Amino acid sequence: DQQVKQNSPSLSVQEGRISILNCDYTNSMFDYFLWYKKYPAEGPTFLISISSIKDKNEDGRFTVFLNKSAKHLSLHIVPSQPGDSAVYFCAASGMNAGNMLTFGGGTRLMVKP
Amino acid sequence: NAGVMQNPRHLVRRRGQEARLRCSPMKGHSHVYWYRQLPEEGLKFMVYLQKENIIDESGMPKERFSAEFPKEGPSILRIQQVVRGDSAAYFCASSPRGGLRTEAFFGQGTRLTVV
Repeated sequence: DQQVKQNSPSLSVQEGRISILNCDYTNSMFDYFLWYKKYPAEGPTFLISISSIKDKNEDGRFTVFLNKSAKHLSLHIVPSQPGDSAVYFCAASGMNAGNMLTFGGGTRLMVKP
Repeated sequence: NAGVMQNPRHLVRRRGQEARLRCSPMKGHSHVYWYRQLPEEGLKFMVYLQKENIIDESGMPKERFSAEFPKEGPSILRIQQVVRGDSAAYFCASSPRGGLRTEAFFGQGTRLTVV
C-alpha cells in the first residue's frame, strides 16, 4: 500500500532545460510535503518543502507545486545542471498521519551536458 | 558543526550474527528516526524515538529488530540473527522537534551486507 508514489523511475534531461519530477499521494491526512535529493552512497539531503496551505514554493532554481485536489505535487528544476543528477525522493507527513515521513520510491534524474 | 553521524558506514555479517548500527543525532536534536532502503526501493520508516522513549515502532519487523535511544550516547538499531533479506542501507535522521513539521536531517547511512 504505497501512499506516496513516484511513477517515473528515471528521467533524462539536457543541461539548461527544465526538469519536472512528479509525485502522487493517496492519504488525505498529509499536509506537509518535502523533496530530498540523494547521491550514491550518501544520505538524503533536504531540498525544498511545501505546506498544504500553499500551492507553490520557490527556492532559487527549485520550485515545488502542490495540487491538493489532484493529490499531486511536482518539483521543477530550471535550468538543470549536470550536478543535479541524483535520485530525488518525494516525502509527505501529516499531524494525523503518523510520526514519520512517508517516502516515494524515487526518480533518478540524469542531466546530460 | 557535525551533522547526523552513523557508524559503521559498512557492516558485513554472516547469517545468524547480530548487527548493531549507531546513530548520533545533530547537536540539539532529540528526535531520531530510522529508515531502511532496500535495493532499488524508496526509504521505509522503521522507528521513531525520543530520548529513552520509543514513540512509534510501527515500521519495525516484529522479531529480531529493536531500537533504543538512551539518555546518554547514540541511538542503536539492533538486528539479531541476521538473514540475507536484512541486507540494505539503514539511514538515521534527526530533527529538533517531533511530528516532522520541518525537515529531518539524514546521516550517510550504514550499508549492511549479510553473507
